[in-house]
Amino acid sequence: ETGVTQTPRHLVMGMTNKKSLKCEQHLGHNAMYWYKQSAKKPLELMFVYNFKEQTENNSVPSRFSPECPNSSHLFLHLHTLQPEDSALYLCASSQDTFNTEAFFGQGTRLTVV
Amino acid sequence: AQKITQTQPGMFVQEKEAVTLDCTYDTSDPSYGLFWYKQPSSGEMIFLIYQGSYDQQNATEGRYSLNFQKARKSANLVISASQLGDSAMYFCAMREALLTSYKLIFGSGTRLLVRP
Repeated sequence: ETGVTQTPRHLVMGMTNKKSLKCEQHLGHNAMYWYKQSAKKPLELMFVYNFKEQTENNSVPSRFSPECPNSSHLFLHLHTLQPEDSALYLCASSQDTFNTEAFFGQGTRLTVV
Repeated sequence: AQKITQTQPGMFVQEKEAVTLDCTYDTSDPSYGLFWYKQPSSGEMIFLIYQGSYDQQNATEGRYSLNFQKARKSANLVISASQLGDSAMYFCAMREALLTSYKLIFGSGTRLLVRP
């Protein structure tokens, strides 16, 4: 079992759907991250949470809404997405935001149709 | 401006040989960290090795070593004795300071294919 678990692994959704991605870490870390990996582009940081508080929003459109109910769980709520939002969404965690040795989940492959 | 540059989109290496994956970076922060991650087809990013800007020696982790040349701002990954399971995408990343924390900036990656 990996330290960071993401569900679902694959998701296909229509542009009018609402869905959520889930991330759970069992490493006792206090910082959690959402990254977006599009084809042929470097990983892009989306959100950072430290001790359940959002510390960074990297100019992400409001159709992506993160939620961090506790230090072990992180959600990404999706609403009225566009086809260009299709990508691999990776969750990561680290001890804190100053220790950036990050451990990643296997990602959710999202396709917006 | 791109801060992490990986100039090799794809590389081939023969099994059991060594291979070097290039990475150059740009930063004005005197304190920084450099990371290499491996991403197999399953999607997970696997941490391989870390080099701090003040570390005197090159980092090593098993078959992975980091050739850190600070003056040239390069942090190349060397994989010795390549194995078929090393076939994957490899990403170089740098820790960058934000207002209240740090984040990782990733390069565009190098796809490595190990030939039997």
